[in-house]
Amino acid sequence: DTGVSQDPRHKITKRGQNVTFRCDPISEHNRLYWYRQTLGQGPEFLTYFQNEAQLEKSRLLSDRFSAERPKGSFSTLEIQRTEQGDSAMYLCASSAITDTQYFGPGTRLTVL
Amino acid sequence: GEDVEQSLFLSVREGDSSVINCTYTDSSSTYLYWYKQEPGAGLQLLTYIFSNMDMKQDQRLTVLLNKNDKHLSLRIADTQTGDSAIYFCAERGGYQKVTFGTGTKLQVIP
Repeated sequence: DTGVSQDPRHKITKRGQNVTFRCDPISEHNRLYWYRQTLGQGPEFLTYFQNEAQLEKSRLLSDRFSAERPKGSFSTLEIQRTEQGDSAMYLCASSAITDTQYFGPGTRLTVL
Repeated sequence: GEDVEQSLFLSVREGDSSVINCTYTDSSSTYLYWYKQEPGAGLQLLTYIFSNMDMKQDQRLTVLLNKNDKHLSLRIADTQTGDSAIYFCAERGGYQKVTFGTGTKLQVIP
């Protein structure tokens, strides 16, 4: 397995548009996490799935954000009506029972 | 809430040891991690330590944990230019959420 993958790696969009990112975790990992990282900061937790169930959401995850993991494998993160403040690196991580999280390369979002 | 703090910047000469420090507030932390991030890349897990351990060594890396002081450090022996990156300390409490520090930028001078 080559690790956690994310697509796209970069996304430029205009304010008000919707965007969707995809994360493919390490195949045997049943837990999947989304984080957001802004410049000069550490990653901030957004949400977490165990299999297909979304078990925890940060208050950072406004109503414009929605995440799914329909079959307990890949996950999507959608941002509706993007704002300039949404510009950030969106990181996905996965873990198995050991709980150590392995990160993907991230999707860098720029909202113009 | 949980908080993790690190110094922002460290500069060392190639071949010297680097020590990156971190403090955290969550007394229920179960795992503590060190991640490395190179420019434009995701986070690479370097090492982790269980909260009931004092020390862990892995090749050039030594992690020290003082649970009473809630202090974690990462020592990199024989620091190389390829070690230049941002190093994040992170802690996991009773749930799955991991809280990261703001990162320490390590600059290695040849």
